[in-house]
Amino acid sequence: SAVISQKPSRDICQRGTSLTIQCQVDSQVTMMFWYRQQPGQSLTLIATANQGSEATYESGFVIDKFPISRPNLTFSTLTVSNMSPEDSSIYLCSGRGLGDTEAFFGQGTRLTVV
Amino acid sequence: AQSVTQPDIHITVSEGASLELRCNYSYGATPYLFWYVQSPGQGLQLLLKYFSGDTLVQGIKGFEAEFKRSQSSFNLRKPSVHWSDAAEYFCAVGPRSNDYKLSFGAGTTVTVRA
Repeated sequence: SAVISQKPSRDICQRGTSLTIQCQVDSQVTMMFWYRQQPGQSLTLIATANQGSEATYESGFVIDKFPISRPNLTFSTLTVSNMSPEDSSIYLCSGRGLGDTEAFFGQGTRLTVV
Repeated sequence: AQSVTQPDIHITVSEGASLELRCNYSYGATPYLFWYVQSPGQGLQLLLKYFSGDTLVQGIKGFEAEFKRSQSSFNLRKPSVHWSDAAEYFCAVGPRSNDYKLSFGAGTTVTVRA
């Protein structure tokens, strides 16, 4: 399976600022997904990002807060904008290639907003 | 609505003992089924998956899972636990389509005592 390198692995940010998380895949993938894992919780899908099209956001998540870029088939970014302490979570990216039946994950970014 | 239930939030098991983690799902049709493991500070690693065929599937690290359609369950088992199995385990389901959005259970934390 492919390998996703996600960075930063962790960060502590001031409220009101923004953080951009990057995911680089070592092979081309059709679909990439961004998840949030709040403390003690399971994974919640934020959005699906396909190359060449706008990201599709799940209910409760909006583009202004979580803008996503997908410039090519091996790279994606998620920005957490105007952060508040409630945004403190682990953010994970995931990818799936065309014809693949399973998704693989990056190592996650542990974000703390103070 | 689709849902994934992992009834056990936390399980403690002695090293060398057997382990079973429960997973029940509610879905419109038989979905794809997965078990992922998340070690501390790491991303998610796929342990095994069920798509069709033999209802007992073998995975990595000595894990296996059994799909029971009548019970809408996909329980994970390991005959003899190692200290390195201490982690959080997530059951996930996904549609049999190119949509491929995974729904995750809340997770079960496994502690292994010597």
